[in-house]
Amino acid sequence: DVKVTQSSRYLVKRTGEKVFLECVQDMDHENMFWYRQDPGLGLRLIYFSYDVKMKEKGDIPEGYSVSREKKERFSLILESASTNQTSMYLCASRLKQGPYEQYFGPGTRLTVT
Amino acid sequence: AQSVTQPDIHITVSEGASLELRCNYSYGATPYLFWYVQSPGQGLQLLLKYFSGDTLVQGIKGFEAEFKRSQSSFNLRKPSVHWSDAAEYFCAVGARMIYNQGGKLIFGQGTELSVKP
Repeated sequence: DVKVTQSSRYLVKRTGEKVFLECVQDMDHENMFWYRQDPGLGLRLIYFSYDVKMKEKGDIPEGYSVSREKKERFSLILESASTNQTSMYLCASRLKQGPYEQYFGPGTRLTVT
Repeated sequence: AQSVTQPDIHITVSEGASLELRCNYSYGATPYLFWYVQSPGQGLQLLLKYFSGDTLVQGIKGFEAEFKRSQSSFNLRKPSVHWSDAAEYFCAVGARMIYNQGGKLIFGQGTELSVKP
């Protein structure tokens, strides 16, 4: 079974702090994704990566950056956390080619105070 | 623009009753279609998917969905709901593969299902 893990289930940070959210997948998937989930808005794509060191902006990249130095790991970085970044963050991965679904991690609930 | 609409934000059904969750999409070509379920505090789990072929697809936990091209719909159904089905359900559409698009998905807003005993 595919396993996608996220470094923290719950995280509390202060405004202005630099925040790292880590995601690791164990199935050699090329593509990885970061979403944020807010009530009534569904999942919105922040960034995705289709290869090591490659990244593409999603629909809401402002205030975020990402890093993919190894195939299995995809990090989301909040350079200076703000209260409006309080949200649930979900990581996902999938194979690059073919009609394959995305596999999701358990999520990190981030609170910025 | 590509979009997915789940018209019902919240649905309540009695245990044992049938269920239908609606999903409409706007897309320029035949998309890949997915239904995911999210239990409280958890990530998303795939229920079923449609890529091609038979427009009625079966999934896990007794769910099924029907793709209707003429209506741009992909509604999720279950004949008899169990209390454990209470969760949030997301419909999603995905692009046929374009290099560097990486199989992006567009999600609906979600439908929260409550089950009455």
